[in-house]
This record gives sequence, structure tokens and C-alpha cells, in this order.
Amino acid sequence: AQSVSQHNHHVILSEAASLELGCNYSYGGTVNLFWYVQYPGQHLQLLLKYFSGDPLVKGIKGFEAEFIKSKFSFNLRKPSVQWSDTAEYFCAVNAGNAGNMLTFGGGTRLMVKP
Amino acid sequence: DTGVSQDPRHKITKRGQNVTFRCDPISEHNRLYWYRQTLGQGPEFLTYFQNEAQLEKSRLLSDRFSAERPKGSFSTLEIQRTEQGDSAMYLCASSYHFDEQYFGPGTRLTVT
Repeated sequence: AQSVSQHNHHVILSEAASLELGCNYSYGGTVNLFWYVQYPGQHLQLLLKYFSGDPLVKGIKGFEAEFIKSKFSFNLRKPSVQWSDTAEYFCAVNAGNAGNMLTFGGGTRLMVKP
Repeated sequence: DTGVSQDPRHKITKRGQNVTFRCDPISEHNRLYWYRQTLGQGPEFLTYFQNEAQLEKSRLLSDRFSAERPKGSFSTLEIQRTEQGDSAMYLCASSYHFDEQYFGPGTRLTVT
């Protein structure tokens, strides 16, 4: 069965700092990869996704993620965070034969100090 | 822009009671998913439908849980004889085939 690990449970940054959140998955086959964000009091929203092609994926709000197949990783990055990026971030994987069910990591709670 | 809606948003019930949640997906989406999220964890898959057919169920979905999607539109998730361990946020999502999943606001269940 596939699994997803997010090693940073809580991250605190000051505004303008750079962000990188780690995501590793365990599955040897074809995968689709996602980052979702949950702002306080809101529902899960898609930040970006990787299905195939260029492993560097750009999403909304200046976020990007890089798929490194050899490392089974899909880390999320943003060069300069804002206070409004305070949220919980979830990495998710859909294995190619898993019927489109998503397996989520445990989430990373990001707090950006103004 | 009509997204995924869920009803109720909050439900408090006593242990042993039955509860039913409803999810209305985005209208053109043929796939509908149920997930459960507990505090400090990511969502966990429960089950999914393609149109009206329930195609997969997680081992998390015990015999007390049942889900339906009559006519391939809205879906209901029923929990019979609720237990305190059922307290969680129940999330619904929908997608068009293998596209990204759009999540609803969730139903927060508290079993006392």
C-alpha cells in the first residue's frame, strides 16, 4: 500500500523567508502527486498537481513543487512567504492503479509571522 | 461557482445513535469520494463512487458504515451505532474522471 510522509509537522517563518516543505511517498509505480492547502476555517484547496511531463510544477499563489522520481519526493517551495500563507499543507499521492483514491500525508502546519 | 456542499456542517450525537451525512458534488463530476480526517492527521480514504456504482471501500469502512449514491448525483454516508472513535471530520470530494478532486467543507461529527 502506498504511504506519504511529511517530515515537518510545524514550521514557523517570518514574512519574506523562503519555504520548502518535504514530501516523500512510497510506491514504485506511476503516481500522480498533489499539494493541497487548508486555510484556517476553510476547506481543502488544490495548490498544484503533477501528472506527467516537466517535473517542476508551478501552482497558484507563487508555489511550485519538484518531482524527483529517484528520491520519491515532491517537495513544495515558495521563494518568499506572506502572512496570508499561514495554513496547513497536505501532500497527496494517487497511485496509477488505485482508482484515483488519494493517500495524504499527515500535513504541515505553517505559521508565518508578520 | 457551485462547489461541493455537505450537510450538516456539524453533528453532535450520543453513542449508539445513527447519523447520516449528505454530499452534493459539482454537477458534472462523475466521481465522488468520502474521506475521514481526525485532528492532526491528513484525510483518510473511505470509499468512492463512479456514477452510482461504489467501486472501492477502505478497510476503515466497518460494517457500521454504509454509503450510497442513488442516480449518480448526491451521496449519503450513514454511520450506525456510533462510537466515540467515529468522532472526526467527514470530507466529501468530487472529480471528473481522473482529474483533480474538489473537496467540500466537511461534516464535523462529535460522538458523546
